[in-house]
Amino acid sequence: AQSVTQPDIHITVSEGASLELRCNYSYGATPYLFWYVQSPGQGLQLLLKYFSGDTLVQGIKGFEAEFKRSQSSFNLRKPSVHWSDAAEYFCAVVNDRGSTLGRLYFGRGTQLTVWP
Amino acid sequence: EAGVAQSPRYKIIEKRQSVAFWCNPISGHATLYWYQQILGQGPKLLIQFQNNGVVDDSQLPKDRFSAERLKGVDSTLKIQPAKLEDSAVYLCASSSSGASSGNTIYFGEGSWLTVV
Repeated sequence: AQSVTQPDIHITVSEGASLELRCNYSYGATPYLFWYVQSPGQGLQLLLKYFSGDTLVQGIKGFEAEFKRSQSSFNLRKPSVHWSDAAEYFCAVVNDRGSTLGRLYFGRGTQLTVWP
Repeated sequence: EAGVAQSPRYKIIEKRQSVAFWCNPISGHATLYWYQQILGQGPKLLIQFQNNGVVDDSQLPKDRFSAERLKGVDSTLKIQPAKLEDSAVYLCASSSSGASSGNTIYFGEGSWLTVV
């Protein structure tokens, strides 16, 4: 069965510091991987996605993520965090890659707090 | 381009009452999803439509939840009768085709339900 693990429920960083949010997945083949961000009272916004090719993916708002097959990981990074990055971040994986359907499985999320 | 529209944004009802949520996906998107997001958890897929047909409703509590997309455009999710544990955010999302095709899934801002 597919699963997504985000081991950190809550992370606090200072503004300007670097950030890494962890994500591990369980899937039998190369998955489609996503990171979404959710600000309070808002829906989910796509930050970036990995389908194939270059394992380092660039996204919006200065975020990047690296797919590491050997570690079944897709960690999200940002070199310098801004106060506006405070939000909840969700890692997600699509099952049934190659079929016409497929369900998006989400991790439980990591809440990011940014200190001024 | 207009995003995914949902209404109402907020609803408070008593247990055993009924409630309905409406969603209008991005124009031209064939695939429509309803997700349930309980506080502190990642979104969980309730039902997926491809045009006006259901392709995945395995996680939908069919004794109390129903959803339809009669003309293959907008959709309604109904809960009757509501239970306390149904308190959650109901997210509608759409994509041009299924997630496994590599298409981005776009989310609405959600409908917040509180059952008292």
